[in-house]
Amino acid sequence: GAGVSQSPRYKVAKRGQDVALRCDPISGHVSLFWYQQALGQGPEFLTYFQNEAQLDKSGLPSDRFFAERPEGSVSTLKIQRTQQEDSAVYLCASSPQRGAGTDTQYFGPGTRLTVL
Amino acid sequence: AQRVTQPEKLLSVFKGAPVELKCNYSYSGSPELFWYVQYSRQRLQLLLRHISRESIKGFTADLNKGETSFHLKKPFAQEEDSAMYYCALRPGNTGKLIFGQGTTLQVKP
Repeated sequence: GAGVSQSPRYKVAKRGQDVALRCDPISGHVSLFWYQQALGQGPEFLTYFQNEAQLDKSGLPSDRFFAERPEGSVSTLKIQRTQQEDSAVYLCASSPQRGAGTDTQYFGPGTRLTVL
Repeated sequence: AQRVTQPEKLLSVFKGAPVELKCNYSYSGSPELFWYVQYSRQRLQLLLRHISRESIKGFTADLNKGETSFHLKKPFAQEEDSAMYYCALRPGNTGKLIFGQGTTLQVKP
């Protein structure tokens, strides 16, 4: 079946613009994660949903970052007033259960955001 | 602090040579550790997890709590093993993963 999909795959924004990044998890997956991957670094955790509940947003770098998953399926990561340091690949992952134990996270292809 | 360290950014070996990708972690509790791999132009995918004690594509990794390490090993590297490898820690039952910076493995013919 289809894996995790993300759109757009590439996004160029001018500094100060707002952007919205979309993640379509694998159908039926309970948990959804967002990670930020700067160039040459490993992915860094941003936030985590279990169904529609945002259980952990400790990794969001500032209040310009906002994520939602209103119906427990598709999720959107919004970045307001983008800054150059926001340039990164944003990865979405989903897992079948609650994310712990033997649960496996399946990653999407990522959205590469470039802020000019 | 919860941290994963992969000291090598690049590891280059010849086909047929043994490979060891190093991973050290910092975590006060009982860790769950994983190796993820990203082949060229593909998405990040799970290679193996320590609790399964499995061998995938000839790779194994043993958790050493005394040395806080989870090194990835393969006795004979193949060209198709060339990829970026990330070690990751999952603290407690949080679900989130903490990744190392990654090591590029280059297997030369």
